[in-house]
Amino acid sequence: GESVGLHLPTLSVQEGDNSIINCAYSNSASDYFIWYKQESGKGPQFIIDIRSNMDKRQGQRVTVLLNKTVKHLSLQIAATQPGDSAVYFCAENLSSGYSTLTFGKGTMLLVSP
Amino acid sequence: ETGVTQSPTHLIKTRGQQVTLRCSSQSGHNTVSWYQQALGQGPQFIFQYYREEENGRGNFPPRFSGLQFPNYSSELNVNALELDDSALYLCASSPGQVRSYEQYFGPGTRLTVT
Repeated sequence: GESVGLHLPTLSVQEGDNSIINCAYSNSASDYFIWYKQESGKGPQFIIDIRSNMDKRQGQRVTVLLNKTVKHLSLQIAATQPGDSAVYFCAENLSSGYSTLTFGKGTMLLVSP
Repeated sequence: ETGVTQSPTHLIKTRGQQVTLRCSSQSGHNTVSWYQQALGQGPQFIFQYYREEENGRGNFPPRFSGLQFPNYSSELNVNALELDDSALYLCASSPGQVRSYEQYFGPGTRLTVT
């Protein structure tokens, strides 16, 4: 089975709203967590990462929160725009001589104008 | 765009055939990973190459093999194609082993096996 999963397969929001995409992970040895955005017909695009010894990291309009107690990861997108519509994946990285990214199934974010 | 390129964009093969997919990594990146993404699923790790050597492999059979060249470009070869091999194949490059979790993906090759 997969060690990274998402609670909501589809999230529909209005333009300008804040979006929150959630993710659960199971491997407490993972050292990095990464969020990717994948638009139709394209490869995943790196959004933001967070190291396992942090609990929050902010980027441009995005914030990732990590709760290691409950093994939960979230991506917050501020002032969501139609261009944010895509599938969002969380991935966990386990470094053991090399890096293995384990992806969940993804959440579809639909932004209405 | 990430600077990672893949060829071809689309490919149709018959069951039992062999296929080679190609990837050029982003400038300065010496680590390349390959992933298989089935429709509606997240990418699944196939293997990783660092300085022309395979240094990690996921749960894929030996008929999935690869190469990395001195310029860090890479190939994925799949022998004896099966219908379940139909998927999007993604290549990702990383700026070295220390930051190998920071992976930048190409657009993928869509393989259809009939």
